[in-house]
Amino acid sequence: DAKTTQPPSMDCAEGRAANLPCNHSTISGNEYVYWYRQIHSQGPQYIIHGLKNNETNEMASLIITEDRKSSTLILPHATLRDTAVYYCIGTGTASKLTFGTGTRLQVTL
Amino acid sequence: GAVVSQHPSWVICKSGTSVKIECRSLDFQATTMFWYRQFPKQSLMLMATSNEGSKATYEQGVEKDKFLINHASLTLSTLTVTSAHPEDSSFYICSARIMGRHSTDTQYFGPGTRLTVL
Repeated sequence: DAKTTQPPSMDCAEGRAANLPCNHSTISGNEYVYWYRQIHSQGPQYIIHGLKNNETNEMASLIITEDRKSSTLILPHATLRDTAVYYCIGTGTASKLTFGTGTRLQVTL
Repeated sequence: GAVVSQHPSWVICKSGTSVKIECRSLDFQATTMFWYRQFPKQSLMLMATSNEGSKATYEQGVEKDKFLINHASLTLSTLTVTSAHPEDSSFYICSARIMGRHSTDTQYFGPGTRLTVL
């Protein structure tokens, strides 16, 4: 798995967009970027993944830089229920997911 | 999305007893499931990979004789913690792999089982 670096914590006002960065400068050409989140005392929830193109689904958007060395997860309108730890994982397949320390996102009123 | 369940959601047992945790994929078949463990204020650590019909593959440092894994069907994997001790108290989480877009796999996680060993 590629080594990823994320800020330990971020705050976001409810209703605003939450932009969560992730650096993965050593990611190889066939490794995807996966994003999961974990709300306190629950199992991780899959959010989105991508290889090199930007991706969007009902939960979020994933913006991957052209050189693939970093990416940003965007929650367009954060709510209090989006408060969680967000994990960025680089892996060739989802066979093995190596969870780092992630970013603790706190959404506030 | 794909749904994965775990049972029980929490369990308390006495030291020396064995505890079985079930992981089920409810709306899809999973040839591969995974078991993770998470201690308080730490991240998830992969314990083992469970393949239907074959022996599980354990990560380095995980005792296979203590953490017995059985994946007898395409929708069920079980983790048995044998002779549990207080240091085995943890949050155990399973995941199931499903083939997704662009032939990439995605893991979907269960809600977790909190084990407390007295």
